Amino acid sequence: EDQVTQSPEALRLQEGESSSLNCSYTVSGLRGLFWYRQDPGKGPEFLFTLYSAGEEKEKERLKATLTKKESFLHITAPKPEDSATYLCAVQAGNTPLVFGKGTRLSVIA
Amino acid sequence: SQTIHQWPATLVQPVGSPLSLECTVEGTSNPNLYWYRQAAGRGLQLLFYSVGIGQISSEVPQNLSASRPQDRQFILSSKKLLLSDSGFYLCAWNRDSQPLWAFFGQGTRLTVV
Repeated sequence: EDQVTQSPEALRLQEGESSSLNCSYTVSGLRGLFWYRQDPGKGPEFLFTLYSAGEEKEKERLKATLTKKESFLHITAPKPEDSATYLCAVQAGNTPLVFGKGTRLSVIA
Repeated sequence: SQTIHQWPATLVQPVGSPLSLECTVEGTSNPNLYWYRQAAGRGLQLLFYSVGIGQISSEVPQNLSASRPQDRQFILSSKKLLLSDSGFYLCAWNRDSQPLWAFFGQGTRLTVV
């Protein structure tokens, strides 16, 4: 069974304090790994897709990396507006997306 | 450009009442359509997905059903709601071709009282 595990469940950072979120997965035939940002009461917003081990994507203060077993979302010098829940999902073969439970990030000014 | 519409945004329903949530996608054809439920601390749980008109796959046995009467319309229903049906319901779509990622609607907060 495909599984996605995110850690930590919650993370509290001071503004400017860099850190990483982890997404470990066990799937056969990975087609893509996806990172989303979700604000309270809103639908998830797409951030990145990673397709193969070694791939990296960047957007502003966020950088996503992928290995054969896990992905990291690095947050450099975060700001309070980066506070949100970050979701990781994988797709294998023709199966639907499988999501992790998310990491709730709070950035304190 | 593609857009996804989901309504209503919030809903309060008594136990035993019926439910109908609607989702429509614009700007694409033959999308894969999904219904997810999100409960606190449990992440996104896939309820149903559809790869075409009239084709519905159920992931979790429950009090809910889904239908796809048109190519870009996906409906989530219940004949009699339970308290445990409360949650945040999200509709999403994607394509089998690139890009693969799914686009989400803004969600419906359902409270069963």
